[in-house]
Amino acid sequence: EPEVTQTPSHQVTQMGQEVILRCVPISNHLYFYWYRQILGQKVEFLVSFYNNEISEKSEIFDDQFSVERPDGSNFTLKIRSTKLEDSAMYFCASSQTGINSPLHFGNGTRLTVT
Amino acid sequence: AQKITQTQPGMFVQEKEAVTLDCTYDTSDQSYGLFWYKQPSSGEMIFLIYQGSYDEQNATEGRYSLNFQKARKSANLVISASQLGDSAMYFCATIGYNNNDMRFGAGTRLTVKP
Repeated sequence: EPEVTQTPSHQVTQMGQEVILRCVPISNHLYFYWYRQILGQKVEFLVSFYNNEISEKSEIFDDQFSVERPDGSNFTLKIRSTKLEDSAMYFCASSQTGINSPLHFGNGTRLTVT
Repeated sequence: AQKITQTQPGMFVQEKEAVTLDCTYDTSDQSYGLFWYKQPSSGEMIFLIYQGSYDEQNATEGRYSLNFQKARKSANLVISASQLGDSAMYFCATIGYNNNDMRFGAGTRLTVKP
């Protein structure tokens, strides 16, 4: 069964550094998402992406964050200048049609900011 | 944006018994989807079941069923014949026709006792 893949599985970075989290969504999916989950807490929506542009973003997704689909397969989340509170699990997800199809999640990237 | 409320932070159930996990939602969309996800201790997000707002019948998937009461805006998950492997966090989520942002509740931690 096709799956969403995320790399790396764990990233450690120093405060103030830029990080890029990478995702390969399922190939025939049209909608792409990033979520984050601080350890043991709720799954928080960051941003959704459709037709090569951001369709929704949350209040968390400020100017420090950006997303890109640089080619036909990859979907990236960039955090420009990481803060300690950015430490979390970041999940990428994709879906076929949005409202009536489930999001398929990758296994996540655990980001640790020191 | 949609809002999801899960009022049970933790639930216990005896193996082989049924359990109901509560979920209420608030949305201004006329058309929306409701989803349940399972997150075991390993961290991945596993899709369980989907209910469309215009579906007249309650969704079922194996041992999972969704008790959908549209007028009360509730979408409770029923797990029948609980198994030890059902011990996990369970998240209710919704996405609206006019919003491409699936929002999650705070989750319920289910523990199945032998």
